[in-house]
Amino acid sequence: EAGVVQSPRYKIIEKKQPVAFWCNPISGHNTLYWYLQNLGQGPELLIRYENEEAVDDSQLPKDRFSAERLKGVDSTLKIQPAELGDSAVYLCASSLGAGSQETQYFGPGTRLLVL
Amino acid sequence: GEDVEQSLFLSVREGDSSVINCTYTDSSSTYLYWYKQEPGAGLQLLTYIFSNMDMKQDQRLTVLLNKKDKHLSLRIADTQTGDSAIYFCAETGGGNKLTFGTGTQLKVEL
Repeated sequence: EAGVVQSPRYKIIEKKQPVAFWCNPISGHNTLYWYLQNLGQGPELLIRYENEEAVDDSQLPKDRFSAERLKGVDSTLKIQPAELGDSAVYLCASSLGAGSQETQYFGPGTRLLVL
Repeated sequence: GEDVEQSLFLSVREGDSSVINCTYTDSSSTYLYWYKQEPGAGLQLLTYIFSNMDMKQDQRLTVLLNKKDKHLSLRIADTQTGDSAIYFCAETGGGNKLTFGTGTQLKVEL
């Protein structure tokens, strides 16, 4: 069974440019998460989807970040415009459901470098 | 808010046991997890423990939970060079929001 798929794996852009990351969760997983991982730190939740609905986006900087999961399957996270401080790893995870007992499975992440 | 703390580094010799410690503040945590992250990779779930358990063993891994002290540990028996990675402790409070620690870098020396 395929795990969580993310693309691209690496992205280098200049500041003020837009960038988008894509995630395909494990088949059948209704809940999808986007995390931000800064160097030397643990991941921090940006947004959580249950099917196509964003149920927790309190940590998403909405002035420049947006996300969508239109059909409740794959998802896109966008930054526009990117800033130097956005350089980080963006991790996508999925789980079968949203309960606290549901294990989250992570993708390999997209490493973003903003120059 | 919730806070999860871990020591930054641990160095052990191959064949020895490793013990990685974690403390957390959220008394409503229901599940506590250990994830492993190798360089350039995502997080791999190693094991988890439910908050009403004291111990869980899974092959070379032993998880101990002291709920009173809000202390979690991961013991890796017979540590191998392939165990070198960053280990993250994480807890879930309400819902399924994971709060991660800063990670402990384990270095296994020959």
